[in-house]
Amino acid sequence: AQSVTQLDSQVPVFEEAPVELRCNYSSSVSVYLFWYVQYPNQGLQLLLKYLSGSTLVKGINGFEAEFNKSQTSFHLRKPSVHISDTAEYFCAVIYTGGGNKLTFGTGTQLKVEL
Amino acid sequence: GAGVSQSPSNKVTEKGKDVELRCDPISGHTALYWYRQRLGQGLEFLIYFQGNSAPDKSGLPSDRFSAERTGESVSTLTIQRTQQEDSAVYLCASRSNEGNYGYTFGSGTRLTVV
Repeated sequence: AQSVTQLDSQVPVFEEAPVELRCNYSSSVSVYLFWYVQYPNQGLQLLLKYLSGSTLVKGINGFEAEFNKSQTSFHLRKPSVHISDTAEYFCAVIYTGGGNKLTFGTGTQLKVEL
Repeated sequence: GAGVSQSPSNKVTEKGKDVELRCDPISGHTALYWYRQRLGQGLEFLIYFQGNSAPDKSGLPSDRFSAERTGESVSTLTIQRTQQEDSAVYLCASRSNEGNYGYTFGSGTRLTVV
């Protein structure tokens, strides 16, 4: 079955430090890749997505991600985090030919500390 | 409307009762999805509607779960004879037919079965 793996359930980091949240997906011929953020008691908000083209994708709030087909990864990075980045981050994949359903990882809780 | 609207935002029900959850998608969005998010877990796909095509019900966990959508309008998710393990946040998302895969999520309905 197609799956998405976020190995880190929690990532603590100090403010202004860099952060990387990892995401790996099942090997597939063609995928579309997404990162969503969920702030407490709010809905999901799209950070960025990769559909085609450049493998380095820039999103909102200074986040970026790089699609690595050989490693089947789509890790999310930010060079300097802020307290307001504290939230749950979800990686999601569309396996083309699978009905345009988003398959989600289990999420990574990013906690930014002073 | 401007976004995906879900109601109620919170629902507490007794075990064994039936519940109906409602989703108002963005006007003009042909695709509608229901997901379930249990505490501390990722999003599980439940069901997907695309226009007038037969829905993809492959994610419904049991025959107690059903959903309807009339055309490209409102959808209702019904859970019959609720069980405690049904307690979760139920999220709805809609998407236009444009090729940018722009999913918009509602804020969800938090269901608590006591």
